[in-house]
Amino acid sequence: GQQLNQSPQSMFIQEGEDVSMNCTSSSIFNTWLWYKQEPGEGPVLLIALYKAGELTSNGRLTAQFGITRKDSFLNISASIPSDVGIYFCAGLRNTGKLIFGQGTTLQVKP
Amino acid sequence: NAGVTQTPKFQVLKTGQSMTLQCAQDMNHEYMSWYRQDPGMGLRLIHYSVGAGITDQGEVPNGYNVSRSTTEDFPLRLLSAAPSQTSVYFCASSYSYPRGGGYNEQFFGPGTRLTVL
Repeated sequence: GQQLNQSPQSMFIQEGEDVSMNCTSSSIFNTWLWYKQEPGEGPVLLIALYKAGELTSNGRLTAQFGITRKDSFLNISASIPSDVGIYFCAGLRNTGKLIFGQGTTLQVKP
Repeated sequence: NAGVTQTPKFQVLKTGQSMTLQCAQDMNHEYMSWYRQDPGMGLRLIHYSVGAGITDQGEVPNGYNVSRSTTEDFPLRLLSAAPSQTSVYFCASSYSYPRGGGYNEQFFGPGTRLTVL
């Protein structure tokens, strides 16, 4: 069953605001991934994290691999309308099993 | 490259009907997989394949069959559709089996939205 808790479930923000979302688990992962899904499309990989404590940026996006290896965070700075979509975290174990969070739906008001 | 393609984009079935969801990739990827996406559930793995002729079950395999006769194609079959199979189905592929410490990015298709009445 589902082993990742992603929050918040949805966000409705003003353009220009910063956004934070996180993912927590009761078990350890060796890799954390963040995906974005736009309406009518499949998920697209944004950031991959491989080491506990790792902080990685991709443009206005910054993600961190939690020290405990049981959580991860994604921040979006200065949001713009094209940031709209569903953001998924996913944890990968060495067995190859990939577990997805429930997703955070982001809406940006111009 | 077309990437990962899926057909059809939309499908409505009656309970008990059968159908095949098609998936193809032109990137010569060894690993292919099928996920279903339900509201509030994220994506859940149905079946996967690490190469032609090799398939295995994922998290929610019941009610679905797969085969992998070529590297390019990985169809998903519903033998007797049930309302519980109403979902959005995504096919994905990557260079090799996903492993921690060096993730091979999975590329997702655009999805098939299936409704079973």
